[in-house]
Amino acid sequence: DGGITQSPKYLFRKEGQNVTLSCEQNLNHDAMYWYRQDPGQGLRLIYYSQIVNDFQKGDIAEGYSVSREKKESFPLTVTSAQKNPTAFYLCASKGQETANTGELFFGEGSRLTVL
Amino acid sequence: DQQVKQNSPSLSVQEGRISILNCDYTNSMFDYFLWYKKYPAEGPTFLISISSIKDKNEDGRFTVFLNKSAKHLSLHIVPSQPGDSAVYFCAVLRGSTLGRLYFGRGTQLTVWP
Repeated sequence: DGGITQSPKYLFRKEGQNVTLSCEQNLNHDAMYWYRQDPGQGLRLIYYSQIVNDFQKGDIAEGYSVSREKKESFPLTVTSAQKNPTAFYLCASKGQETANTGELFFGEGSRLTVL
Repeated sequence: DQQVKQNSPSLSVQEGRISILNCDYTNSMFDYFLWYKKYPAEGPTFLISISSIKDKNEDGRFTVFLNKSAKHLSLHIVPSQPGDSAVYFCAVLRGSTLGRLYFGRGTQLTVWP
């Protein structure tokens, strides 16, 4: 079945450590996105990528980094520079079929807790 | 600067009644308006959308209304069911920004028997 797979689902890390969250999609979508959800904050855009080898900062990119070496993969690294990394992270993708309507397909999310 | 505002963090409705979730936006240039539903510890799922050239779109129990002059969007669920209990996010799209969505903060809907 086609979809978006995020891993791990739960992750605990010590303060000061870098963490990489995986996002893989087999939908053949060109665009991929990373959002962060905090209680009462809605979804905030961290980074997005429209095509391979290209990505742009979203609204809260500080302390995060991404790469887009393959169409299927868009990993997010939460660096030690991110001041409040504990959150629920959501990866999403979008294909040509919904390019004009904005509909995104989301993964199941990764819960990161920094101790 | 919030592009999309959902001013009610929560809504409680009895099963069988109508649920009305509201959303206000700031920019009259938005092209599409979407509603997403989210259960705890899961990713959001697309529910329904409406183009800026329409004022109503219906899909089964879900209807979205768009009032462009008021920059207001609403989602009506009728009849409401306990399985509808979730967080609902309003999102807006401006086509010129290459498909980037702006999300509201969400409204927690609780449907009780």
